[in-house]
Amino acid sequence: QKEVEQNSGPLSVPEGAIASLNCTYSDRVSQSFFWYRQYSGKSPELIMSIYSNGDKEDGRFTAQLNKASQYVSLLIRDSQPSDSATYLCAVGAGSYQLTFGKGTKLSVIP
Amino acid sequence: EPEVTQTPSHQVTQMGQEVILRCVPISNHLYFYWYRQILGQKVEFLVSFYNNEISEKSEIFDDQFSVERPDGSNFTLKIRSTKLEDSAMYFCAEQQGAGTDTQYFGPGTRLTVL
Repeated sequence: QKEVEQNSGPLSVPEGAIASLNCTYSDRVSQSFFWYRQYSGKSPELIMSIYSNGDKEDGRFTAQLNKASQYVSLLIRDSQPSDSATYLCAVGAGSYQLTFGKGTKLSVIP
Repeated sequence: EPEVTQTPSHQVTQMGQEVILRCVPISNHLYFYWYRQILGQKVEFLVSFYNNEISEKSEIFDDQFSVERPDGSNFTLKIRSTKLEDSAMYFCAEQQGAGTDTQYFGPGTRLTVL
């Protein structure tokens, strides 16, 4: 059974701070890793994808992957109130489907 | 980012009725998926569809569910006899190619079974 675990939160950070979101996964053959943002009542929106160990930066977002530890994280720099949402970690293991975590709710306090 | 569209945005039905949820794909995308999200729960994979065939399905996707691409464009999910526990958001997702490509999600259909 493939599992993707995330702290449900809520994670509260002040505006301008760095938000750090974490995710662990159980399937060692996982190959693709995604962070989606989901506003309440809306669909998941892709933020970042990462496939290799290390860091990947895109604007204010940095994804980090450590396959040996089966760990993936998302850092959001200069957090804004508009970043307040639930962040979903999703993992692909070479098949077609993605396995999602339950999500971490982020609240950025002005 | 390409836009995937879904209709209807909200469907209310009586238990035991059949519902059909529709997804309008992006023209050059090859792989299609249905996921669902029960309120407050995680997004769950239902089925993947490629070349007019089911590629994978989860244990949730039982005989009450079916998928097809009836006119070569729209991609549909049919639930034959809805149950109360089928109430959820249903998301269509697509990707252009296999492997490590990105899945783009549609806006979803909220299904309410009374």
